[in-house]
Amino acid sequence: EAGVAQSPRYKIIEKRQSVAFWCNPISGHATLYWYQQILGQGPKLLIQFQNNGVVDDSQLPKDRFSAERLKGVDSTLKIQPAKLEDSAVYLCASSLTDSLTFGPGTRLTVL
Amino acid sequence: AQSVSQHNHHVILSEAASLELGCNYSYGGTVNLFWYVQYPGQHLQLLLKYFSGDPLVKGIKGFEAEFIKSKFSFNLRKPSVQWSDTAEYFCAVNYGQGAQKLVFGQGTRLTINP
Repeated sequence: EAGVAQSPRYKIIEKRQSVAFWCNPISGHATLYWYQQILGQGPKLLIQFQNNGVVDDSQLPKDRFSAERLKGVDSTLKIQPAKLEDSAVYLCASSLTDSLTFGPGTRLTVL
Repeated sequence: AQSVSQHNHHVILSEAASLELGCNYSYGGTVNLFWYVQYPGQHLQLLLKYFSGDPLVKGIKGFEAEFIKSKFSFNLRKPSVQWSDTAEYFCAVNYGQGAQKLVFGQGTRLTINP
């Protein structure tokens, strides 16, 4: 089975610019997650979708971060405007039942 | 707040040594427990999981973990490590039932010297 796909793999931007990440989950996985992993820390959940509805976005900084999952498949995560502290790896994961499968992540560097 | 603590930030061992990585979580209700591993340059991968039943669970590559409810712990063990076990290990907890929403520990970097 194909894994979770993410693009781009790396992105370097300057602060106050905007950026978008894309995720294609495993086919048939209804639940999709975006995690932020800052260097030296464990992943932190930003947002969880069930099909195309938001289940939990309590830790998403909504003044600058947004995410959508149109048609319940692919998802995009956007940051606008970016801050230095947004430098991290952004992980997408999907699940069908009881465990998550992670993608390779997008490493974002904000200068 | 729900949290997961991994006490060892960096562990260095020689090949064939025994391994135990600590994980404690802060909740007294129903939990599902996981260990994920991230090998250098690779994705996070599931190592093992505990939902219910036998508190000693076995995962891939000879790893096992023991759930001790009274201690809120889920420590990872391996009797004899190999150089290829060099990786970062993350404990994660799903609090409550239903859709998976994992809270991760900060990770333990394991270095195995040949």
